[in-house]
Amino acid sequence: NAGVTQTPKFQVLKTGQSMTLQCAQDMNHEYMSWYRQDPGMGLRLIHYSVGAGITDQGEVPNGYNVSRSTTEDFPLRLLSAAPSQTSVYFCASSYSRQGSGEQYFGPGTRLTVT
Amino acid sequence: GENVEQHPSTLSVQEGDSAVIKCTYSDSASNYFPWYKQELGKRPQLIIDIRSNVGEKKDQRIAVTLNKTAKHFSLHITETQPEDSAVYFCAVGRGGADGLTFGKGTHLIIQP
Repeated sequence: NAGVTQTPKFQVLKTGQSMTLQCAQDMNHEYMSWYRQDPGMGLRLIHYSVGAGITDQGEVPNGYNVSRSTTEDFPLRLLSAAPSQTSVYFCASSYSRQGSGEQYFGPGTRLTVT
Repeated sequence: GENVEQHPSTLSVQEGDSAVIKCTYSDSASNYFPWYKQELGKRPQLIIDIRSNVGEKKDQRIAVTLNKTAKHFSLHITETQPEDSAVYFCAVGRGGADGLTFGKGTHLIIQP
């Protein structure tokens, strides 16, 4: 199994540009989520999904959209990039449908917005 | 929402000594308490977790203790080794679909 994969690994955007961060998992997990990690801030939940067709907001959802058309994929869209969105983004999946179980993280995407 | 405080932010110990990292949380309904280790440039990985019906759990050199009354839990690493150097995050789950709330992390440095 590849586990959780993310693309791209690095990305530089200009303010106002849009892009999609890709995330996929091959463990048949129902629960998937997106976190952002900033220095000294830990990991903060952006959006999550408990299954295909179901998404909801986390702690810091503003400026991001998600969709879940299949169990495997959970892309994160930045609508109009801002410097405040410079961060490392981690996708995660869990066997626990409620999210209170081991989170399997992807390798991360390092995003810089100039 | 849930508030998780983690201390210390940096911890330096001599190789072979023990290290203890503490976290407190605010929501008494929380029932899942994992610890993640993150090496530089890598993804977080689960090292140990505990659920609210258990007070202590051990796995070789690492252990987690939970005090639900006081709403705090701790990570204990004994006989520390150079490969234990990393950032450690505690997290709290409430059993709902809104996942985990993470602490801000502890940078553990093992001095040779």
